[in-house]
Amino acid sequence: DAGITQSPRHKVTETGTPVTLRCHQTENHRYMYWYRQDPGHGLRLIHYSYGVKDTDKGEVSDGYSVSRSKTEDFLLTLESATSSQTSVYFCAISASTAVKGASNTGELFFGEGSRLTVL
Amino acid sequence: QKEVEQDPGPLSVPEGAIVSLNCTYSNSAFQYFMWYRQYSRKGPELLMYTYSSGNKEDGRFTAQVDKSSKYISLFIRDSQPSDSATYLCAMRKGQGAQKLVFGQGTRLTINP
Repeated sequence: DAGITQSPRHKVTETGTPVTLRCHQTENHRYMYWYRQDPGHGLRLIHYSYGVKDTDKGEVSDGYSVSRSKTEDFLLTLESATSSQTSVYFCAISASTAVKGASNTGELFFGEGSRLTVL
Repeated sequence: QKEVEQDPGPLSVPEGAIVSLNCTYSNSAFQYFMWYRQYSRKGPELLMYTYSSGNKEDGRFTAQVDKSSKYISLFIRDSQPSDSATYLCAMRKGQGAQKLVFGQGTRLTINP
């Protein structure tokens, strides 16, 4: 196991409510990612982080925000959930260390996923 | 048009068969190619990693890259029921996993 924990693993919520998903790593890796996986689309990058307080947008970032106040935690927030955000969300870390300037090899280690249903 | 195309299947074969999984891509800048395996209700795990063209073998698995045809393949020899999973190809142009582009995955079932 790559030492990645996602919580909650399952959540059902209603349209318009805020939702926060948490990713916790014990590997001290600098890079962390949030993906969503949907039938017909595969894995799509939402946001990623390359260090504490350093984040950037991915392919499908609209409606999502992220925060990283500690190396080990990366939070994904849906400010006002919509039915189109029903999906399985995966957190991933990249095989690099928390040292600035360390190269990002690009290989990803994924968490178990968080299944979100927005009614 | 998607940058990476992968037939979603499902693909069902008998145990012991040779399996061929494929992806095509449109961007000739891709240099790094990966195959991930994803069991049901689990996260993907890296199976094979290849840089540029050529073959790479690991046990029963062989990854093949043909950059001239913009085509990558994963072969599984002597397939086992435990190989039943979704296989996702992924590729990127340079350093950084944030540049990874995934195929949509092929669901494979190996029948005993």
